[in-house]
Amino acid sequence: DADVTQTPRNRITKTGKRIMLECSQTKGHDRMYWYRQDPGLGLRLIYYSFDVKDINKGEISDGYSVSRQAQAKFSLSLESAIPNQTALYFCATSDSLYNEQFFGPGTRLTVL
Amino acid sequence: GENVEQHPSTLSVQEGDSAVIKCTYSDSASNYFPWYKQELGKGPQLIIDIRSNVGEKKDQRIAVTLNKTAKHFSLHITETQPEDSAVYFCAAAETSYDKVIFGPGTSLSVIP
Repeated sequence: DADVTQTPRNRITKTGKRIMLECSQTKGHDRMYWYRQDPGLGLRLIYYSFDVKDINKGEISDGYSVSRQAQAKFSLSLESAIPNQTALYFCATSDSLYNEQFFGPGTRLTVL
Repeated sequence: GENVEQHPSTLSVQEGDSAVIKCTYSDSASNYFPWYKQELGKGPQLIIDIRSNVGEKKDQRIAVTLNKTAKHFSLHITETQPEDSAVYFCAAAETSYDKVIFGPGTSLSVIP
């Protein structure tokens, strides 16, 4: 089984809808991250969490919110989706001793 | 905050030739520089990293060099093979325990 899983893998939604992307990990890591990937812009950090009670904004947090329900679960929400949030979204984890990040398979989100 | 630039954005090489990807960073406090490889349809995966107390690091056909004075670091792949075709991301962080900032990526194609 994959160490970092993301659900759903693909989602098409309409402008104004609320969307939640979920991430679960079995690696036992305390740190979790949400990135979005756009062509030519690389990976941009949306939010990150270094433990269950710690939530931090990244480079592009506007329009997004997160919830760290447990050490193993980190969800990303779009309260009111807009078309420029169409992108590939990745969840990643790392431990507190070494920052190698382990990425999930990604969620492709399309906002019409 | 940290800003990472990466060149070229696309690179095509003949199988067996070498490939070089170059990155620059802006924050002189950064001292951890990982490289990630993203294969089609997958999340990025760490392939090599370097810290500021080291000028060069090699792992089989892959090498990274770091020039802290000029704030440059590079990835060198020798004897390229078709399976090296992927998107490569450089990144920088203040420490190996900190969040990383990614460059925009380089799409490498190795032509058989």
